[in-house]
Amino acid sequence: NAGVTQTPKFQVLKTGQSMTLQCAQDMNHNSMYWYRQDPGMGLRLIYYSASEGTTDKGEVPNGYNVSRLNKREFSLRLESAAPSQTSVYFCASSNPGHNQPQHFGDGTRLSIL
Amino acid sequence: AQSVTQPDIHITVSEGASLELRCNYSYGATPYLFWYVQSPGQGLQLLLKYFSGDTLVQGIKGFEAEFKRSQSSFNLRKPSVHWSDAAEYFCAVGERTNAGKSTFGDGTTLTVKP
Repeated sequence: NAGVTQTPKFQVLKTGQSMTLQCAQDMNHNSMYWYRQDPGMGLRLIYYSASEGTTDKGEVPNGYNVSRLNKREFSLRLESAAPSQTSVYFCASSNPGHNQPQHFGDGTRLSIL
Repeated sequence: AQSVTQPDIHITVSEGASLELRCNYSYGATPYLFWYVQSPGQGLQLLLKYFSGDTLVQGIKGFEAEFKRSQSSFNLRKPSVHWSDAAEYFCAVGERTNAGKSTFGDGTTLTVKP
């Protein structure tokens, strides 16, 4: 009954370091999403993947890359971390036709010094 | 561009009292509308959604929401609040023609007094 699993849960990076956030879902969902959540704000979409092999930019894609490795996994990469990327990152998934994320992971809390 | 406004940053209600959380949206056509709840340290959970049809939508945990096109609103309601409902609530609007693209409000934090 795992749902959406994100790793790691916490991470501290130095400016300029790179890192990949991992996300996996076991619900056979086609669509997957990456969001960031900053204090006092709602979620902002970074990237979206409608199906394996496809990705699309969201509202705030700059500084990030994604890979939809297979139907289960959708990773988010920071090539050169910046303090402005300090945030909580959420991965989510949904079935086709649902249009919006149904299931969220518990988040990765990322601090960049 | 679409937008979502949750006018109340923080609401406090007594346990057993009724609850209404406000959500106003701006969108050129009939949107998809959603409410999520987030407990501290956790991801969001989908409470309910409106796609079409009946404008009064029932969700999980005893919540309901009503879509009012004339007021561009989608307010969340619950007749009797429980202490476990204390959390942050987010309204979101989704594009019908662009699956996956959505806008979230900034959230309303609900505190429940015993």
